[in-house]
Amino acid sequence: TQLLEQSPQFLSIQEGENLTVYCNSSSVFSSLQWYRQEPGEGPVLLVTVVTGGEVKKLKRLTFQFGDARKDSSLHITAAQPGDTGLYLCAGRSGGKLTFGQGTILTVHP
Amino acid sequence: DAGVTQSPTHLIKTRGQQVTLRCSPKSGHDTVSWYQQALGQGPQFIFQYYEEEERQRGNFPDRFSGHQFPNYSSELNVNALLLGDSALYLCASSSAPDMAFFGQGTRLTVV
Repeated sequence: TQLLEQSPQFLSIQEGENLTVYCNSSSVFSSLQWYRQEPGEGPVLLVTVVTGGEVKKLKRLTFQFGDARKDSSLHITAAQPGDTGLYLCAGRSGGKLTFGQGTILTVHP
Repeated sequence: DAGVTQSPTHLIKTRGQQVTLRCSPKSGHDTVSWYQQALGQGPQFIFQYYEEEERQRGNFPDRFSGHQFPNYSSELNVNALLLGDSALYLCASSSAPDMAFFGQGTRLTVV
């Protein structure tokens, strides 16, 4: 059984602070995706990383895929209240996405 | 361009009943996947449909079944509902790997 463990589960920070969310697995995935989910909505894809060691940037968000393609991290610089939400990592194997349990981020003004 | 649409948005059912949830994929997408998301958890893969066939299945009992129609829309059926089936059911469509778009989900409450 493939599992993805995300940490931390909860994160409460002040506006302007930096943060990192981790996603770890013992399994190798074809790719790893990061999603953001608002209450009452479906997850929205932020980024897909495919190559081991790959780094992608999306404005203040930096995503990294581990060299062995088993782990990933999401770093947010200078967090803003609009970044508040549930962040999910998901590893793809065939057509199936295996999700972590999510990180609930709250950014206080 | 309409995204992935799911219906209904909310549903309340009684234990033992059966339920059908519907999904219309994003235009141009031929693959539909279904996920169950319990409160406070990440989504769990139920199954995926492509060309009207179930292509891959997660660890869900046979009470969970699905169908894909020629226009790529899909249904998820759950029989003999249990209290533990209460969750947000998400549909995702794609035309290529790593390009899944999710609908807003159907919130199912079993009482």
